[in-house]
Amino acid sequence: NAGVTQTPKFQVLKTGQSMTLQCAQDMNHEYMSWYRQDPGMGLRLIHYSVGAGITDQGEVPNGYNVSRSTTEDFPLRLLSAAPSQTSVYFCASRASGGTQYFGPGTRLTVL
Amino acid sequence: AQSVTQLDSQVPVFEEAPVELRCNYSSSVSVYLFWYVQYPNQGLQLLLKYLSGSTLVKGINGFEAEFNKSQTSFHLRKPSVHISDTAEYFCAVSERAGGTSYGKLTFGQGTILTVHP
Repeated sequence: NAGVTQTPKFQVLKTGQSMTLQCAQDMNHEYMSWYRQDPGMGLRLIHYSVGAGITDQGEVPNGYNVSRSTTEDFPLRLLSAAPSQTSVYFCASRASGGTQYFGPGTRLTVL
Repeated sequence: AQSVTQLDSQVPVFEEAPVELRCNYSSSVSVYLFWYVQYPNQGLQLLLKYLSGSTLVKGINGFEAEFNKSQTSFHLRKPSVHISDTAEYFCAVSERAGGTSYGKLTFGQGTILTVHP
């Protein structure tokens, strides 16, 4: 199993550009989520999904969109990037026992 | 709503010394508790978790944690640390199954453990 994979590892955007962060898991987990990590703030939940076709907002959803067309994939879209979205983004999927497995992260810089 | 407070943002210790990283949580419902470790420029790795049963939980790399319901704490301990334990540690909580927030992890702010030779 590859577990949770994320692409790209690094990305630099200019303000106003759009992009999609990719996330995939091969563990057949229904629950997937996106977090952002900022210094001194831990990880904060952006969006989550409890299965294909079902998504909902987390703690900090503004400026981000998600969709879940398959169990495996859960992409995160930034429609118009802002410097405040400079962060490290982690995708995670949750096993039935409650443990969440995290991807390696995407480091995003918005200039 | 639930919240997690890690009481120390940085903990410096010498190699082979014991260490305790403190975590307190607040929740109106029963919760699951987790400790994750993040090595520099890497993702998060599960150290240990408390779901039910014995309140003393043992994890990987010699770490253990004790769930104290009355004090709403879940402190992480290791009797003798190594240089390789230098990392950032996160305490996290999620509601038990059946709750409206089931599956959502709420994280503490993180504690940076630095082990000196």
